[in-house]
Amino acid sequence: AQTVTQSQPEMSVQEAETVTLSCTYDTSESDYYLFWYKQPPSRQMILVIRQEAYKQQNATENRFSVNFQKAAKSFSLKISDSQLGDAAMYFCAYFPYSGGGADGLTFGKGTHLIIQP
Amino acid sequence: DVKVTQSSRYLVKRTGEKVFLECVQDMDHENMFWYRQDPGLGLRLIYFSYDVKMKEKGDIPEGYSVSREKKERFSLILESASTNQTSMYLCASSLVLNEQFFGPGTRLTVL
Repeated sequence: AQTVTQSQPEMSVQEAETVTLSCTYDTSESDYYLFWYKQPPSRQMILVIRQEAYKQQNATENRFSVNFQKAAKSFSLKISDSQLGDAAMYFCAYFPYSGGGADGLTFGKGTHLIIQP
Repeated sequence: DVKVTQSSRYLVKRTGEKVFLECVQDMDHENMFWYRQDPGLGLRLIYFSYDVKMKEKGDIPEGYSVSREKKERFSLILESASTNQTSMYLCASSLVLNEQFFGPGTRLTVL
């Protein structure tokens, strides 16, 4: 069974600074997807960024980027120029490519990100 | 934009009641999911469905059942609610591989 571990229950960063959220996972699969989801206080879960395991290039979405280390099974999220609107719970999630679209995501326990003004 | 809606944001029920949580998506997605979210535990998959009338157990199906009579609607049923089912319930849907879209969640309290 796959597991996803987020070792930081809570992180705090000053506005405009950079923060990195950690995620490790365990799988025997070679093809899979990794995600970071954001859940603001309003509770709507939003996809932040996605990484396909077969791609060596790290995914980037504006201020959000990942450091994907497949051999180490590590998938960290870097948020640059942090903004107050980035305050949320962040969840790392895993999806097996073999799932065919009909498998659930395996989530980590989440990291609560606090942005200090 | 994909829209996933859930029938209630907040729900309070009594122990032993039968509870229905409804989820509707408007983008003709084949796949729908129910997750449970608890502090310190993240999200855990209860059930999912990849087609009308089809369902598969997730990681924590005990105490729950589901119904999918129409493609756009996926219901989670607590046959006899218990206090340990007090939680946030999130519905999601997907069409293509991997990208799931989530509803706003239902906060269920069982007294």
